[in-house]
Amino acid sequence: SQQGEEDPQALSIQEGENATMNCSYKTSINNLQWYRQNSGRGLVHLILIRSNEREKHSGRLRVTLDTSKKSSSLLITASRAADTASYFCATVNVTGTASKLTFGTGTRLQVTL
Amino acid sequence: DTGVSQNPRHKITKRGQNVTFRCDPISEHNRLYWYRQTLGQGPEFLTYFQNEAQLEKSRLLSDRFSAERPKGSFSTLEIQRTEQGDSAMYLCASSSLAGGKLFFGSGTQLSVL
Repeated sequence: SQQGEEDPQALSIQEGENATMNCSYKTSINNLQWYRQNSGRGLVHLILIRSNEREKHSGRLRVTLDTSKKSSSLLITASRAADTASYFCATVNVTGTASKLTFGTGTRLQVTL
Repeated sequence: DTGVSQNPRHKITKRGQNVTFRCDPISEHNRLYWYRQTLGQGPEFLTYFQNEAQLEKSRLLSDRFSAERPKGSFSTLEIQRTEQGDSAMYLCASSSLAGGKLFFGSGTQLSVL
């Protein structure tokens, strides 16, 4: 089963604009991760944020985590056409198998020239 | 190539046939995961190995599904008596740390006719 929802389901922006996608989850987590998937391919890890962290940066990526609201956001700044992909959040729960990631439903990002 | 390798990339089979997929993880990773992904959804956890031990299986994994990881290296996922509902992308991933980032293969796309 999916851990939660991503919002929006689909997002279309122009190159150079910022893209923000949100993730909500249901249970207490150890950490939350964001992955990217190009069409028909496997997933690529982007960034991991631990439950005691509130914000993390990696290049053009900024991730926030609000454990009180059980939500996270991923911001991609100065988007490029090559950023076109689906983006998934995934959580590692506090209870249960520490190794198991539970994925959300994903946001499909389209960046146009 | 030192990434996660999956074979075959595509498999078309008739309903009722058995299929087997192979995954070669990153060599130093002792954790290996199988996920299933249908169109427009996030990956769903199927099973997880630590070395050669299968430590968790999802309730999604019916008796027709079996996975092995002999000697803690490559893994195989077999589906017996395939059904049309088994059509999906089957993703393999590996990691070195519990709760850490996963490295995914490109997946095996299964189509059951």
